[in-house]
Amino acid sequence: DQQVKQNSPSLSVQEGRISILNCDYTNSMFDYFLWYKKYPAEGPTFLISISSIKDKNEDGRFTVFLNKSAKHLSLHIVPSQPGDSAVYFCAARINNFGNEKLTFGTGTRLTIIP
Amino acid sequence: NAGVTQTPKFQVLKTGQSMTLQCAQDMNHEYMSWYRQDPGMGLRLIHYSVGAGITDQGEVPNGYNVSRSTTEDFPLRLLSAAPSQTSVYFCATGVVASLIETYEQYFGPGTRLTVT
Repeated sequence: DQQVKQNSPSLSVQEGRISILNCDYTNSMFDYFLWYKKYPAEGPTFLISISSIKDKNEDGRFTVFLNKSAKHLSLHIVPSQPGDSAVYFCAARINNFGNEKLTFGTGTRLTIIP
Repeated sequence: NAGVTQTPKFQVLKTGQSMTLQCAQDMNHEYMSWYRQDPGMGLRLIHYSVGAGITDQGEVPNGYNVSRSTTEDFPLRLLSAAPSQTSVYFCATGVVASLIETYEQYFGPGTRLTVT
């Protein structure tokens, strides 16, 4: 039972355009959402996060939007740059008072075309 | 600071062999965890620990043991390797989330394990 879903395994975007990566979840108990970026042969690195009490969080070129009623979040990268080519994972957390676990999606491979 | 280190980087085992994947961190984080990454499956939590002496199971714990005797180290043991355990293993650390507003995990570079 995949509670966090990234339905697009891959996405190609022209350099300078907007990249939009999508993530859907099924568990309404998730209270915190994160995006991680992963280059080949490296561990994932944290990119941006959003609390369930917000609907938008922005950090430079990266913005995450959360639509709780639709159980959907998206990551916008604008403008896209060649260094953004990577696999992006969304993850969700249930606050379990010290016993937190992150549930990850399957990832979307983003390729930025120069 | 080295952050999160994992050894070895690569390992090939025969079915039935045992081994320990090492994970060490120098960030004084209470929380440490092990994930495996398989194609089309994302990252799945194997075991985690919220402090020395405390461990708990994640989503896919079968076939793996862990212990946490110090804050710095969190080894993952495969007692009798099986081909289904062929995967890339990541160790991650973090601060206990209930005490803070954000919740990030910091990942090591991974260990690629092949079981034949």
